[in-house]
Amino acid sequence: DQQVKQNSPSLSVQEGRISILNCDYTNSMFDYFLWYKKYPAEGPTFLISISSIKDKNEDGRFTVFLNKSAKHLSLHIVPSQPGDSAVYFCAASALDYKLSFGAGTTVTVRA
Amino acid sequence: SAVISQKPSRDICQRGTSLTIQCQVDSQVTMMFWYRQQPGQSLTLIATANQGSEATYESGFVIDKFPISRPNLTFSTLTVSNMSPEDSSIYLCSVVHNYEQYFGPGTRLTVT
Repeated sequence: DQQVKQNSPSLSVQEGRISILNCDYTNSMFDYFLWYKKYPAEGPTFLISISSIKDKNEDGRFTVFLNKSAKHLSLHIVPSQPGDSAVYFCAASALDYKLSFGAGTTVTVRA
Repeated sequence: SAVISQKPSRDICQRGTSLTIQCQVDSQVTMMFWYRQQPGQSLTLIATANQGSEATYESGFVIDKFPISRPNLTFSTLTVSNMSPEDSSIYLCSVVHNYEQYFGPGTRLTVT
């Protein structure tokens, strides 16, 4: 049973524009949410996280928004850069740090 | 962030054999996990590597197939036993450091 869902398998965006990646979850016990970026042949790289007590967290070009009532979070990347082309995974955990991952969204940034 | 290394980075193995993957962290960490990413799939948690005690396995994973050792707070091994082609995956260790979870580079295993 997929508890974390990324319904868009791919996203293409022009360089300099905003990338918006979406993620939905079903488990009400999740209280911590993370986004990872992954290049082929590498491990996931931690990007940004958000606790359930917040609705927004910002770090440079990356902002994560959390809507608990809708069980939805999104990652905004602005401005998008060619180096942002990668697979992005949404992940969630309860207090035990055990991560459940979404299927991933492949982002392609066009020059 | 924590610096995590894994050995080997990749391997090609014959069915029926076993492979032990090592994970080394540059600082002491309490929580360490092993994940698997099968081809075209997302990451799935295999087990929690507990220091000084038996690993805790997730549903669908058993100790006989994936024995794990955690002799200290900086090192762990995962063995993939009696391999079949279905075990072809990327195996990743992760650690919790300063409340965030970081991943190693992964071990790409191909079973023929």
